[in-house]
Amino acid sequence: GIQVEQSPPDLILQEGANSTLRCNFSDSVNNLQWFHQNPWGQLINLFYIPSGTKQNGRLSATTVATERYSLLYISSSQTTDSGVYFCAVVSGGYNKLIFGAGTRLAVHP
Amino acid sequence: GAGVSQSPSNKVTEKGKDVELRCDPISGHTALYWYRQSLGQGLEFLIYFQGNSAPDKSGLPSDRFSAERTGGSVSTLTIQRTQQEDSAVYLCASSLRRWNEQFFGPGTRLTVL
Repeated sequence: GIQVEQSPPDLILQEGANSTLRCNFSDSVNNLQWFHQNPWGQLINLFYIPSGTKQNGRLSATTVATERYSLLYISSSQTTDSGVYFCAVVSGGYNKLIFGAGTRLAVHP
Repeated sequence: GAGVSQSPSNKVTEKGKDVELRCDPISGHTALYWYRQSLGQGLEFLIYFQGNSAPDKSGLPSDRFSAERTGGSVSTLTIQRTQQEDSAVYLCASSLRRWNEQFFGPGTRLTVL
């Protein structure tokens, strides 16, 4: 089955810094989503982005489907950005999301 | 509008008991999914419903796990004869159609003593 790898596994930032999170996947995808899991465990949808570029406030994402990777950019980070960021994909004839292991982000004041 | 809701939010049970977990998807969403998140295994798929049918049950870990969906809406995940390794957060998600964006509920944290 498809493999999803996220990097880095852990990231520590000072408030105001920018960061880039990466998601590599091993096969073509029908769906790619980025989530933020907050400290209470809720998975919050950030982007639905099987291809192309999207922006939402301080966050933006780019998926280059032909090269099998996606990037999540966080600018001017805030302490509330802390948590785990997951990339997840749907591939082939399946409907299930396959999740990466996540990037754990800590933003310090 | 209302998001995906799940109940209970927390469930503590004794080994060997049966439990039922409930999911109310977003109104109008035809696809419904169950996942679970545990420390050792990350986020893993359990079952997918399209309407009331479950064309993909490949993630159910054993025959102690079953799920149903009625009226194309509410779904119940049942775990019989619970074991300690069943302890996890069980997450439900729904999407308008297959391959569309999936939206997750807050989860049910199951603890088996």
